[in-house]
Amino acid sequence: DAGVIQSPRHEVTEMGQEVTLRCKLISGHNSLFWYRQTMMRGLELLIYFNNNVPIDDSGMPEDRFSAKMPNASFSTLKIQPSEPRDSAVYFCASSFTSGGNTDTQYFGPGTRLTVL
Amino acid sequence: DAKTTQPNSMESNEEEPVHLPCNHSTISGTDYIHWYRQLPSQGPEYVIHGLTSNVNNRMASLAIAEDRKSSTLILHRATLRDAAVYYCILDQTGANNLFFGTGTRLTVIP
Repeated sequence: DAGVIQSPRHEVTEMGQEVTLRCKLISGHNSLFWYRQTMMRGLELLIYFNNNVPIDDSGMPEDRFSAKMPNASFSTLKIQPSEPRDSAVYFCASSFTSGGNTDTQYFGPGTRLTVL
Repeated sequence: DAKTTQPNSMESNEEEPVHLPCNHSTISGTDYIHWYRQLPSQGPEYVIHGLTSNVNNRMASLAIAEDRKSSTLILHRATLRDAAVYYCILDQTGANNLFFGTGTRLTVIP
């Protein structure tokens, strides 16, 4: 298995532009997590899905951020419009959740986003 | 979010054992203790987890105090590849997510 796949690996854009980050889950996994990591705030959970349904989006910063799972193996995180303070590394993680306690999460390599 | 306390940084000499401590005094009876690590320029990766008994796997050992208010991740022989930030996380029943604190940055000295 190739593991969690994220694209692009690096993205540089200008303030105000739309940014779309992509994530492919590990085959057979049913939970998807989006995290953001900065020096100041560390690793923060933005949103997670279980069986394609958003379960908790309380970590999503504001309306400029949106996430979708159009199918069981793929997710997008969109920022529109982007701002310089959105610059961070965005990680996607997947797991197989069978209920109860959290199962092991497998992280992708991350997308480094720079908003100028 | 469940609270854990870890030292900001630790150093170890190569090929020596490393004991990474974690305090979690507010742990409840069904909370699992997870450890992840993040190598430079990579996403976090799972290391080990446990509930009450000590646990061993190919990467590390996890020693859990009898009252479960603290735990220690043990790397038996540190290598340069073990230099990373190590996160101790409480997995609260029903939370379905993990809260990553600031972790401990481990430096391995050749």
